Amino acid sequence: NAGVTQTPKFQVLKTGQSMTLQCAQDMNHEYMSWYRQDPGMGLRLIHYSVGAGITDQGEVPNGYNVSRSTTEDFPLRLLSAAPSQTSVYFCASSNGRTGGYYGYTFGSGTRLTVV
Amino acid sequence: RKEVEQDPGPFNVPEGATVAFNCTYSNSASQSFFWYRQDCRKEPKLLMSVYSSGNEDGRFTAQLNRASQYISLLIRDSKLSDSATYLCVVNVGTGNQFYFGTGTSLTVIP
Repeated sequence: NAGVTQTPKFQVLKTGQSMTLQCAQDMNHEYMSWYRQDPGMGLRLIHYSVGAGITDQGEVPNGYNVSRSTTEDFPLRLLSAAPSQTSVYFCASSNGRTGGYYGYTFGSGTRLTVV
Repeated sequence: RKEVEQDPGPFNVPEGATVAFNCTYSNSASQSFFWYRQDCRKEPKLLMSVYSSGNEDGRFTAQLNRASQYISLLIRDSKLSDSATYLCVVNVGTGNQFYFGTGTSLTVIP
């Protein structure tokens, strides 16, 4: 199994551009989420989904949109990139509705730089 | 106040040493606890869950103290390959909110 696959691995955007970070998992996990990781801040939850058609906001949702049309895919859209969105983005999935007892499987990350 | 706080580190220890990390959490309703390991420029990977009774996996021992609201990770007989950042993770309430600590950096020195 591939696990959680994120693309692209690296991206440079200009301020104001939009893009979509892709995330796919082949483990039939119900729960998927997006985090960003910044130095000294730890991982912060952007958006999450407990199943197809259901999404909700996390701690830092502004400037990002998500959708979950299938169990496998959970793309993250940056609407109008800003330098403050320069970060490493991780997609994660978990078995079980809450993931509370199973932990996460993370994708390998997307390093985004906004200039 | 942060949901999860960890020892800032860095910890630099010689091979074979025993090292312990602590992590405190602020929400007494927290239900699940984990330690993750993150290598430089890689994704976090689950190291172990932390159970109420404490649990051990080889050289690694995790403990939970609900009364004082902290969890700990003990690494015995440190190996060079243990060098990484260790993240404390706490799951609160209904389970859809995981809070990560900022991580503790460990370097094992030959």
